[in-house]
Amino acid sequence: EAGVTQFPSHSVIEKGQTVTLRCDPISGHDNLYWYRRVMGKEIKFLLHFVKESKQDESGMPNNRFLAERTGGTYSTLKVQPAELEDSGVYFCASSLQLTGGNSYTEAFFGQGTRLTVV
Amino acid sequence: QKEVEQDPGPLSVPEGAIVSLNCTYSNSAFQYFMWYRQYSRKGPELLMYTYSSGNKEDGRFTAQVDKSSKYISLFIRDSQPSDSATYLCAMSVLSMFSGGYNKLIFGAGTRLAVHP
Repeated sequence: EAGVTQFPSHSVIEKGQTVTLRCDPISGHDNLYWYRRVMGKEIKFLLHFVKESKQDESGMPNNRFLAERTGGTYSTLKVQPAELEDSGVYFCASSLQLTGGNSYTEAFFGQGTRLTVV
Repeated sequence: QKEVEQDPGPLSVPEGAIVSLNCTYSNSAFQYFMWYRQYSRKGPELLMYTYSSGNKEDGRFTAQVDKSSKYISLFIRDSQPSDSATYLCAMSVLSMFSGGYNKLIFGAGTRLAVHP
């Protein structure tokens, strides 16, 4: 079974340009998350989708970031216009919805997209 | 103050040593405590999770949670060079909204090097 895949693996753009990151979750995973790690800091939550709906955007840094999840499948994260402080590694993760008596659902992470803004 | 504190290391040990990795936290509402392992240029991979307090063992790995002290640990016995990676603690409060999900709060990660 394919894991969570992210494209591109690395992107270098100039300040002011636009970049779009893509995430393909594990098939059947309704939960999709975006996280980010900037240099020297911990991995931080950005937002959460359930299928195509945004459920929690509390971690989005500002309105230069726009996330979408078309048809509840893959997701994109667009940064427009990019700033120097947006450099970091962007991780996508996916998980199943809870079922029955389960109270924990494991989040599987992609390999990340390393974004460098120069 | 960060919600989760973790010493970034680096930690260097000889092969066969017992490794102890730790995190402290401030949010008493955390219910789930995870340890992830991350190799260079890869995404985090779940090693173990524990619900509430107690110990959990899986092979050479043991996770401990002490909620009264707000302190969690990961022990690695008989460490191997292949254990060299960054170890991340993560914690969450289960949200039952929208069918339930775990929003993870990570520590900074501890870089571990096990040398032959």
